[in-house]
Amino acid sequence: SQTIHQWPATLVQPVGSPLSLECTVEGTSNPNLYWYRQAAGRGLQLLFYSVGIGQISSEVPQNLSASRPQDRQFILSSKKLLLSDSGFYLCAWTAGVGGYGYTFGSGTRLTVV
Amino acid sequence: GNSVTQMEGPVTLSEEAFLTINCTYTATGYPSLFWYVQYPGEGLQLLLKATKADDKGSNKGFEATYRKETTSFHLEKGSVQVSDSAVYFCALSRYSSASKIIFGSGTRLSIRP
Repeated sequence: SQTIHQWPATLVQPVGSPLSLECTVEGTSNPNLYWYRQAAGRGLQLLFYSVGIGQISSEVPQNLSASRPQDRQFILSSKKLLLSDSGFYLCAWTAGVGGYGYTFGSGTRLTVV
Repeated sequence: GNSVTQMEGPVTLSEEAFLTINCTYTATGYPSLFWYVQYPGEGLQLLLKATKADDKGSNKGFEATYRKETTSFHLEKGSVQVSDSAVYFCALSRYSSASKIIFGSGTRLSIRP
C-alpha cells in the first residue's frame, strides 16, 4: 500500500535561518506531488506542485522554493526564513489525472521566531 | 476561474443533531468533488468524493451528492458525534495532468456532548 512520510513534525526556527522540509512517498511510482501551507485558522494555499522529477511549478511568488531530486521525494526549502513563513505545511500526492483526490502527509508545524 | 465556497464557521451542534455544511463551486466542465476532514494537529484525510453529476459519496455516516444543476456538494450527517469535531474542507479537481485541487476555506465543526 502507498504511504507518505513528512518530517519533521514540528520546527522552531529563527528569522533568517534556512529551511528544509522533506516528503517521501512509498508504494507508487511517478506520483504528482504538492506542497500546501495552512496559516493559523485559515484555508490551504497551494505553494508548489510537481508532475515529474525536476519539474516544479510555483503557484505563488514567495520566499520558498521546491525541488524533486528523486521520483518519490519532494523538498521544500528557504534560504532565509521570514516571520510570515510560519504555518502548517502539508505535503500531498496523487496518481493519475484527476478524480482520485490527494493523500496528505501528517504535516510540519513551522514557527519562525 | 475555478473556485469553491463553503459556509462560514464555526458550527456548533449538540450530539445527535443533524448536520449540513453547504458547499458550492464554480468550474468549467465536470470537476471531481471532495470533502476532506482535518482533526486537530493533523493533516487532511479524504472523507468522501464524487466524480460525476448525481453521484453520492458516503463514508462514516457522512453523505454528499454532486448536484450539477445547483453546482453544489453539501455535506450531511444524520446524527453527529463528539468525535466528528474537526475542520471540514470542500474541494474540487479538474481532469488534468497536474490534478490540482482547489479547496474551500474550511468549516470548523464543534459537537457538544
